[in-house]
Amino acid sequence: GQQVMQIPQYQHVQEGEDFTTYCNSSTTLSNIQWYKQRPGGHPVFLIQLVKSGEVKKQKRLTFQFGEAKKNSSLHITATQTTDVGTYFCAGPGNSNSGYALNFGKGTSLLVTP
Amino acid sequence: DTAVSQTPKYLVTQMGNDKSIKCEQNLGHDTMYWYKQDSKKFLKIMFSYNNKELIINETVPNRFSPKSPDKAHLNLHINSLELGDSAVYFCASSQDPGTLSYEQYFGPGTRLTVT
Repeated sequence: GQQVMQIPQYQHVQEGEDFTTYCNSSTTLSNIQWYKQRPGGHPVFLIQLVKSGEVKKQKRLTFQFGEAKKNSSLHITATQTTDVGTYFCAGPGNSNSGYALNFGKGTSLLVTP
Repeated sequence: DTAVSQTPKYLVTQMGNDKSIKCEQNLGHDTMYWYKQDSKKFLKIMFSYNNKELIINETVPNRFSPKSPDKAHLNLHINSLELGDSAVYFCASSQDPGTLSYEQYFGPGTRLTVT
C-alpha cells in the first residue's frame, strides 16, 4: 500500500479561524480520499481526489491534490463547532492488503466557541 | 435503514474469553473489511474479504478470524482475548476495489474492553 503521513496531529482553534491539515506520501498516489470522524462516531467519506492539481470544494471545505500527486490538503474556512472531529486522509491499498485503505494518523480538530 | 451495522456496540469481557462481533451491510457491496482503531485513533486494516477471497494483514494474530456466511456479512471472532485487544473495531464495505478506489462505508464501531 501507499503510506501517507498526516500533520498536524492536533489543532485547537477558535471558532471562525481557519484550519488546514496536510497529507504527504513518499510515492505517487493514484488517488486520495478524505474522511471525517466525529467524537464517538465512525469515519465518514468526504471526498476523493484523482487528478494532478485537482481542487474540490464542499461549502467551507477545500480539498487539494498536489501536482506530483504526493500530497494533499484539507482547508476549512471559518471553522464552526460542528467541524470538531478527526480528519483522515487515506491512500489506496494494493493487492497485498485486499485494496483496503491506508489511513494517515489523522488530525484531531477542536473548535472552541 | 443503516447501511453498515455492527453488534454489539460495546463489549466488555475478561482476558482469555472468546467473543464475536457481527457485521452486516445492505449496500450490495462485494468487499468488506475489518479495521482496528487504537487509543490514538490510528485506523489499521485487519482483514479484507472479497468474493470469498480473504486477505489478512500479516500483523494480525491468528486469534482473530473473520467469518463470512454470505456476501452481506463479515463477522469477527476473537479467541483468548488479551488486554491489548482493547480497541474500537470497525467494519466497512465498498464496491469491488482494484485499480480504482471506492469510498468505504463504515459501521458504527464496536468498543471492546478487555479486563
